[in-house]
Amino acid sequence: AQSVTQPDIHITVSEGASLELRCNYSYGATPYLFWYVQSPGQGLQLLLKYFSGDTLVQGIKGFEAEFKRSQSSFNLRKPSVHWSDAAEYFCAVGRDSNYQLIWGAGTKLIIKP
Amino acid sequence: DTAVSQTPKYLVTQMGNDKSIKCEQNLGHDTMYWYKQDSKKFLKIMFSYNNKELIINETVPNRFSPKSPDKAHLNLHINSLELGDSAVYFCASSQRASNSPLHFGNGTRLTVT
Repeated sequence: AQSVTQPDIHITVSEGASLELRCNYSYGATPYLFWYVQSPGQGLQLLLKYFSGDTLVQGIKGFEAEFKRSQSSFNLRKPSVHWSDAAEYFCAVGRDSNYQLIWGAGTKLIIKP
Repeated sequence: DTAVSQTPKYLVTQMGNDKSIKCEQNLGHDTMYWYKQDSKKFLKIMFSYNNKELIINETVPNRFSPKSPDKAHLNLHINSLELGDSAVYFCASSQRASNSPLHFGNGTRLTVT
């Protein structure tokens, strides 16, 4: 069955520290891959996406993600987090249609001062 | 300019009532969606509407009915509200292509008492 796993329900990092949020998927073919961020009280905003080509993709707000086919992973990274990065992060995969996007359960990022 | 706007932001009502949530997008997208986000932040697709084609999620009770007067608007009407309907409801839009990212509204927090 197709699925997306975000193993960490929440992660706490110090401001200025590096960040990696994990996303693993199970899909029949190479899917389209997305990371979205949800700030408190807001809707979701696209951070970055991967369709094909270079497996390291750059997004907004200094985020990047790397697609690793052999590990079925699409982990999100940022070299130095800011307090404003505190939010919920969602990984999503799909291919056939936007209606059939499969969403991870989300990872809550907490920033320590 | 707000890309995807939904009203109201908060909705508190009693069990058994009927309520509607409105959504409008000014992005020129041809596809709109309703999502439900529960208290654990889990996202669940409810409906997708592309022009005159409505795709219904089979797990959504028929008390929920989307209505789209035109491709820029997708409203959600809920009959006979139940306690379990309490959640945040997000409207989103995109182009139909499966690699087209979703643009979300800021959500409507529905509380049924």
